[in-house]
Amino acid sequence: SAVISQKPSRDICQRGTSLTIQCQVDSQVTMMFWYRQQPGQSLTLIATANQGSEATYESGFVIDKFPISRPNLTFSTLTVSNLSPEDSSIYLCSVEVGLQGKANYGYTFGSGTRLTVV
Amino acid sequence: GENVEQHPSTLSVQEGDSAVIKCTYSDSASNYFPWYKQELGKRPQLIIDIRSNVGEKKDQRIAVTLNKTAKHFSLHITETQPEDSAVYFCAVNAGGTSYGKLTFGQGTILTVHP
Repeated sequence: SAVISQKPSRDICQRGTSLTIQCQVDSQVTMMFWYRQQPGQSLTLIATANQGSEATYESGFVIDKFPISRPNLTFSTLTVSNLSPEDSSIYLCSVEVGLQGKANYGYTFGSGTRLTVV
Repeated sequence: GENVEQHPSTLSVQEGDSAVIKCTYSDSASNYFPWYKQELGKRPQLIIDIRSNVGEKKDQRIAVTLNKTAKHFSLHITETQPEDSAVYFCAVNAGGTSYGKLTFGQGTILTVHP
C-alpha cells in the first residue's frame, strides 16, 4: 500500500499567522483527503483534493481558511490560515488505495501534524 | 451525507474479558467498514476492515461483524490485554456522489485493567 510522508510533525504558531502542511505519497493516487482531529475528538474530513481541479470542501470548512493545493498525483498541501487557538488540532492527510471491492482496498494516513496556536 | 454513530464512548474491562463496540451508519451505498486504533499521540492504525459482501471477518483476537440490512457493524475483541487500551474509531466510506470519503464514528476509549 501507499506510504505517506507528512510534515511538519508538529509546530507552534502565533495567532494570525499561517501554517502549510505537506503530504508526499510514494505512488500516484487519484484522491487525497485532509482531516482535522481536535483534542479528544474524532477525525473530521476537511476537504478532498483532486489533481487538476479545485478541492471539494465539507460543510463548515472554506477555501479561504483552508486553501489546498494538489499540483500532481503524489503531492498535496493544506494551509491553515489566520490561525487562532481554536485551530489547535492534529491535521492528517489520507489517500485511498486499491480498488473498491477488492482485497487491497483501504486508506493510508500520514503521521499527522500537531498544531498548537499561541 | 453519511452519519456514523458509535457506542459506547468509553468502555472499561478487566484483562481477559471481551469488548464490543458498535457503529451504525446511514448510507446504504457504503461498502467498506474499517476499524482504527489510535494510541496517544499517534496516527490511527487500521486493525481490521470488512467489505459489504461478507458478514463477518476475524483476525486472531479481533473480529468484525456487519449487518447491512440493519446498517450496523461491530468490533469484537476477545481475551483483552492492557495493550489493547486505546481509542477505537469505526469508519464508513461514502457512496454515490461522495465516493471515497471516510466518515468516522465519535470514538470509544477502551481501558483494559490488569
